[in-house]
This record gives sequence, structure tokens and C-alpha cells, in this order.
Amino acid sequence: EPEVTQTPSHQVTQMGQEVILRCVPISNHLYFYWYRQILGQKVEFLVSFYNNEISEKSEIFDDQFSVERPDGSNFTLKIRSTKLEDSAMYFCASSPTDRNYGYTFGSGTRLTVV
Amino acid sequence: SQKIEQNSEALNIQEGKTATLTCNYTNYSPAYLQWYRQDPGRGPVFLLLIRENEKEKRKERLKVTFDTTLKQSLFHITASQPADSATYLCALDEDTGFQKLVFGTGTRLLVSP
Repeated sequence: EPEVTQTPSHQVTQMGQEVILRCVPISNHLYFYWYRQILGQKVEFLVSFYNNEISEKSEIFDDQFSVERPDGSNFTLKIRSTKLEDSAMYFCASSPTDRNYGYTFGSGTRLTVV
Repeated sequence: SQKIEQNSEALNIQEGKTATLTCNYTNYSPAYLQWYRQDPGRGPVFLLLIRENEKEKRKERLKVTFDTTLKQSLFHITASQPADSATYLCALDEDTGFQKLVFGTGTRLLVSP
């Protein structure tokens, strides 16, 4: 069964550093997303991406964050000047045009800012 | 303000019984409602989608209902098994022209043998 692949699975970074989280969505999906989940809290929407541009973003997704699809397969989330409160599990997801199939999520990257 | 509420308390049931989980929402007009399963440290896994014009949807031991008047969805697992123990998330899609799924807080289900 096709999977969404995320790397790395764990990332520890110093406060103030930049991190790039990587994702390979399912190849025939057209919509891509980033979500985050702070420990013990709900899964929060960050951004959706379609046709090589951001289609929607939440209030969380401010200038500190950016997304990119640098080639035909990868989808990245860059977090600049990381803060302690950025520590969370970050999930990438993708979906086809047909909503009946839902979203397919990756296993996540656990980001720890120290 | 907008809210998607699910039971924050864990639901404990005996194997073989039917589990019923509730999702209530406020100030949303979802065109679609989805249910996901999440295991600890893992990403959500899609289970079922129901549309606003559908009252009920079934898939194997799962059943979802959607009442847009009550602003509520119920998620049932019949003949529950210990392997069904997980957190179950409801998620709304308002179909504003772009795909954006908003998740509830989730309910933890524990099925005892």
C-alpha cells in the first residue's frame, strides 16, 4: 500500500536554529499538507499546498514557516529561528482529488527544540 | 468560536461490546466529516468519510452517523476487540474550495479482553 514517507523520524535542534522536515507524498496525490501535534494535544492544521502553491494556512503558519516542493517528489517544511514551543510531532499528509479516500499521513517527525 | 468536541475521558469497554464515540461541533458547516484512528507516536489513519447529505455510512465493523441538525457525528465499532484500542479523531472539511481538514481532540478507546 502506498505510504507517505517522512524524514528524519527524530530531530533535536538548538533554539534559534533552522530545521527542514522532509516528506515524500504519495505519487498520484495532488494535495499536500503539514500538521503538527504538541504532546497530549490535538492535531493542528498548518498549511495545505496544491498546484505548487499554498492554498490555505493557519494562524500558526507565520513568517517563521515555509513550504516548498523542490522537485517532483519531495515536500518540505522549513522552520526558521526555532523556539522551545515549536517542539512537537510534525505530520505530512497527502490526498487525491477524490475525498472518499481521506488523507494519508506519514509517521511524523518528532522535533525537540532545546 | 469554532469548536470540535470529543469526549476527553477515555472510553473503557469489554471485548465484544459496541463502542460509541461522539463528535460535536460548533460554528462549522462541514460538507464532509471524517474519522481517523491514531496509535501512540503514529500519524492518523483514515477510516471513514461521510457527506453532509448522508445519514449513515458503514464499513465492516464500523458505522458512522452524521446529523447536521444536531451538529453531531457518532462513530460505532461493533464486536470490539483489544486491537481496536487507540485514539479516534473526528475531522471536518467545510469544502471552501480548498482541502483543509480540522481535527477534534480525539477520544481514547480501551477495549479489555
